[in-house]
Amino acid sequence: GEDVEQSLFLSVREGDSSVINCTYTDSSSTYLYWYKQEPGAGLQLLTYIFSNMDMKQDQRLTVLLNKKDKHLSLRIADTQTGDSAIYFCAERAESGYSTLTFGKGTMLLVSP
Amino acid sequence: DVKVTQSSRYLVKRTGEKVFLECVQDMDHENMFWYRQDPGLGLRLIYFSYDVKMKEKGDIPEGYSVSREKKERFSLILESASTNQTSMYLCASSLDLASTGELFFGEGSRLTVL
Repeated sequence: GEDVEQSLFLSVREGDSSVINCTYTDSSSTYLYWYKQEPGAGLQLLTYIFSNMDMKQDQRLTVLLNKKDKHLSLRIADTQTGDSAIYFCAERAESGYSTLTFGKGTMLLVSP
Repeated sequence: DVKVTQSSRYLVKRTGEKVFLECVQDMDHENMFWYRQDPGLGLRLIYFSYDVKMKEKGDIPEGYSVSREKKERFSLILESASTNQTSMYLCASSLDLASTGELFFGEGSRLTVL
């Protein structure tokens, strides 16, 4: 079955880079996503990558995909206190109704 | 901007009560979803709907039902609430299966069952 794993917690200092890692098991994944959840709010899409890409960059965000190892990472450059949130990795498999499977979320804490 | 609105942000109910959680989206999306979010467990899919009057079970449908009488509205029903249904409930919508599959989430409904 589908499974998405990510570490539960990451703490960094303001100005440093943050790297959040994710592994998934479904080799038929077509899209992989990073969502952000701020306290008391719903999830908001940060970025996504199609499975035939290795990298995607969007301002301070860099997504790296290693399809062979089924490993996805999100790098946030110059991390700010406003980046403190829970980050969810998700995959969309090309089967059935193509629903998304989410990881348990990584809580990023940015200290001044 | 896509807006997904969940009618209640916070609810407190008693064991055995019937609970309705309402969700409305304003972008003519085909698909709508109900997730529950619990600490340490992440998001788990309860039910989803890909068309009016259509519904599919997700990973944890037991104790829940859903209704989609209109395209923009998707309701989650707890027929007889239990304390283990205390959770944050998140509604989401997406355009259709042919698109990127991006989900748009509501703000969540935090339900406490006493």
